[in-house]
Amino acid sequence: ETGVTQTPRHLVMGMTNKKSLKCEQHLGHNAMYWYKQSAKKPLELMFVYSLEERVENNSVPSRFSPECPNSSHLFLHLHTLQPEDSALYLCASSQVYPRDPYNEQFFGPGTRLTVL
Amino acid sequence: AQSVTQLDSHVSVSEGTPVLLRCNYSSSYSPSLFWYVQHPNKGLQLLLKYTSAATLVKGINGFEAEFKKSETSFHLTKPSAHMSDAAEYFCVVSGHTDKLIFGTGTRLQVFP
Repeated sequence: ETGVTQTPRHLVMGMTNKKSLKCEQHLGHNAMYWYKQSAKKPLELMFVYSLEERVENNSVPSRFSPECPNSSHLFLHLHTLQPEDSALYLCASSQVYPRDPYNEQFFGPGTRLTVL
Repeated sequence: AQSVTQLDSHVSVSEGTPVLLRCNYSSSYSPSLFWYVQHPNKGLQLLLKYTSAATLVKGINGFEAEFKKSETSFHLTKPSAHMSDAAEYFCVVSGHTDKLIFGTGTRLQVFP
């Protein structure tokens, strides 16, 4: 496996369910990110982890709970979500954080989440 | 504060004709600028980035972009479109903070 992988690729859940999204990076990076991509809206940064420590939380509701057990893995735990949380959730990684402005982030393929 | 505006939500071209995807930015600082592409059911892939070394930046798959400070633009071009170029393209800016600010995207359709 190379790059950034995400599982599952698709997830359908009810509003009372609890589920988790998983991200794994095989690039030796020290920073990982969660983004939300909704239709017709710019990507929204949700969380940033650097060296397994959360360094940014962009006013995300508490029904989204991130976890970074090591620098290669990132989880997003979901509970009591709302239908408006349906979106594509993208994970990314970069070499360091604070990020060198000229270093790019590498993205996974995303998890398409549908909340019924 | 930084922002980025992608002027077209959809662009349609015929295969073999030039591609122009427009992007304007606003930044109080010397910006870093990127173009990412997203194919269906795939993550975002970096096409090219502006690092202030040269105003004309060449990327992968024959794409290039020119940084024009006077016009605050960073338009993406390709001389000849290919069917495989059909995707969503995002212009991205970052400045003195570490946040990437994404545009709303331009969907490129390529007709045979």
